[in-house]
Amino acid sequence: DTEVTQTPKHLVMGMTNKKSLKCEQHMGHRAMYWYKQKAKKPPELMFVYSYEKLSINESVPSRFSPECPNSSLLNLHLHALQPEDSALYLCASSRPGLVTDTQYFGPGTRLTVL
Amino acid sequence: AQKITQTQPGMFVQEKEAVTLDCTYDTSDQSYGLFWYKQPSSGEMIFLIYQGSYDEQNATEGRYSLNFQKARKSANLVISASQLGDSAMYFCAMRESNSGGYQKVTFGTGTKLQVIP
Repeated sequence: DTEVTQTPKHLVMGMTNKKSLKCEQHMGHRAMYWYKQKAKKPPELMFVYSYEKLSINESVPSRFSPECPNSSLLNLHLHALQPEDSALYLCASSRPGLVTDTQYFGPGTRLTVL
Repeated sequence: AQKITQTQPGMFVQEKEAVTLDCTYDTSDQSYGLFWYKQPSSGEMIFLIYQGSYDEQNATEGRYSLNFQKARKSANLVISASQLGDSAMYFCAMRESNSGGYQKVTFGTGTKLQVIP
């Protein structure tokens, strides 16, 4: 099973709403990632968790709050977002220590902020 | 700092023909990995092929092959016998080495490939 799942597939929210994105993998991977991707641009790294600890925060605004409750699950809590935060949010996971391994991506959540 | 350059914003190829997507990179690391991903309009990033910096042979995966020229710092993707389903955005990416148990990946700007019937 080489699958990363993300829910919801689409999300529309107002600027005052609070919502969460969910990512799950059951491949035994111990590193998990959140990326933001605007149209026609490459993915931009937001956060990295390694062994359930936050390893990288790429200076992401505090209205985005990541959480890694266990090794299989990664959440992204959203609060008071701006219209410019509308994007495709991709989750990925990888095995630690294997130099030949790749990141496996989920299908993404398309977020629209009104 | 690592850098990936894809100079072809868009490419067209006739169905059943081969196509080469260009990728050059810059790094001061001796150990690194190069990847190609395909992203259809649905959004999912699909891993295609991997090349390690110490691999002597060019990587191949089915219709995909990676033309790795280390001295020139290039890692071009060759797709043979193009199919309509190959129409997508293609990203070249490089993983830098680290000991933190995770991968830090730099993506190129992408090439949009369109396969013509």
